[in-house]
Amino acid sequence: EVLLLDSGGGLVQPGGSLRLSCAASGLTFRSHVMAWIRQAPGRGLEWLSSISESGENTYYADSVKGRFSISRDNSKNTVYLQMNSLSAEDTATYYCAKEVKDPSKMTLGFDPWGQGTPVTVSS
Amino acid sequence: QSALTQPASVSGSPGQSITISCTGTSSDVGNYNLVSWYQQHPGKAPKFIIYQGTKRPSGVSDRFSGSRSGNTASLTISGLQAEDEADYYCCSYAGSRHWLFGGGTKVTVL
Repeated sequence: EVLLLDSGGGLVQPGGSLRLSCAASGLTFRSHVMAWIRQAPGRGLEWLSSISESGENTYYADSVKGRFSISRDNSKNTVYLQMNSLSAEDTATYYCAKEVKDPSKMTLGFDPWGQGTPVTVSS
Repeated sequence: QSALTQPASVSGSPGQSITISCTGTSSDVGNYNLVSWYQQHPGKAPKFIIYQGTKRPSGVSDRFSGSRSGNTASLTISGLQAEDEADYYCCSYAGSRHWLFGGGTKVTVL
């Protein structure tokens, strides 16, 4: 069974930084594209970023580009999200997820998801 | 890029069928056959239930079905059960390795 364990969330002041981690098990981690998705309180889901299997290629939503950075350590089966210049609008539960691929490497969706780690940006 | 549009809520009685719509544009839903749907129970992580608009991952009940027409995708839940009460989200590829989600629909079983 593939399991993703998100951690690193917490309370941070506006303008501050935080690094989230997602530890994966039950899969050949280096063979999978990973993503971060967030959900603000009472709101919908928002895709934030994805990283290729090797970590060479990264992709970001406009809302976080230049402030957030995704990375991975395949020796530790872990993907990270470094979040800088945080504001109240970044308050959300952050989920990591594995991208589901078809044989042609097209992404079909996200499965499974971690349990989420909450981030609160407040003074 | 704006979020995909879903109704805020849909309700139905046990045994009935309900349909949730997901409206995008010709740049996302209408341009790619890559709409997926997720079920989220309160306090839980989302669960992947439909991909490529109409296909179900292994283990997902056949009471869940999807369709797509033009810029709108739909999720139908047949034979509604109490356990189906949850939030449902659509997601579409939007090009350039970007993904858009809908705002979510709360399904209530009356």
